[in-house]
Amino acid sequence: EDQVTQSPEALRLQEGESSSLNCSYTVSGLRGLFWYRQDPGKGPEFLFTLYSAGEEKEKERLKATLTKKESFLHITAPKPEDSATYLCAVQARGAQKLVFGQGTRLTINP
Amino acid sequence: DADVTQTPRNRITKTGKRIMLECSQTKGHDRMYWYRQDPGLGLRLIYYSFDVKDINKGEISDGYSVSRQAQAKFSLSLESAIPNQTALYFCATNGQATTGELFFGEGSRLTVL
Repeated sequence: EDQVTQSPEALRLQEGESSSLNCSYTVSGLRGLFWYRQDPGKGPEFLFTLYSAGEEKEKERLKATLTKKESFLHITAPKPEDSATYLCAVQARGAQKLVFGQGTRLTINP
Repeated sequence: DADVTQTPRNRITKTGKRIMLECSQTKGHDRMYWYRQDPGLGLRLIYYSFDVKDINKGEISDGYSVSRQAQAKFSLSLESAIPNQTALYFCATNGQATTGELFFGEGSRLTVL
């Protein structure tokens, strides 16, 4: 069974304090790994797709990386507006659906 | 206007009542999904549809039904609501070429008393 585990559940940082969020996964052949951002009271918003180990994607202060067992979302010099819940999901080859992790709730204090 | 619109945004109902959550999209996508979000459990797929004549069960379809009335409309029904169906429900869409890039609505918060 495909599984996704995100850690930590919650992370509180000071503005400018860089850190990383982890997404560990087990899947029977990875088609893609996806990162989403979810603000309170909103639906998730797509950030990145990663397809193979070694791949990296960047967007502003965020960089996502992928290995064969996990993905990291690195946040460099975060700002309060980066506060959100970050969701990771995987899709197995031949599967139609995504399997989501529980999310990491990130708070950036000014 | 939002690309994926859900109604109602909030609903409080009683055990045993029939509830319908509606979703419409203006993105022109064929694929539509209904997810449920619970604290600590993440997003779980209830039903999905790849075109008007296609309906598929997700991982937690028991107690739910869906109707794909048109390419742009996908509704979720709870025939007889129960308290453990209290959750945040999301509709999502995507195109065939980018299957992992889902576009979500803003959610429908359902409380069953």
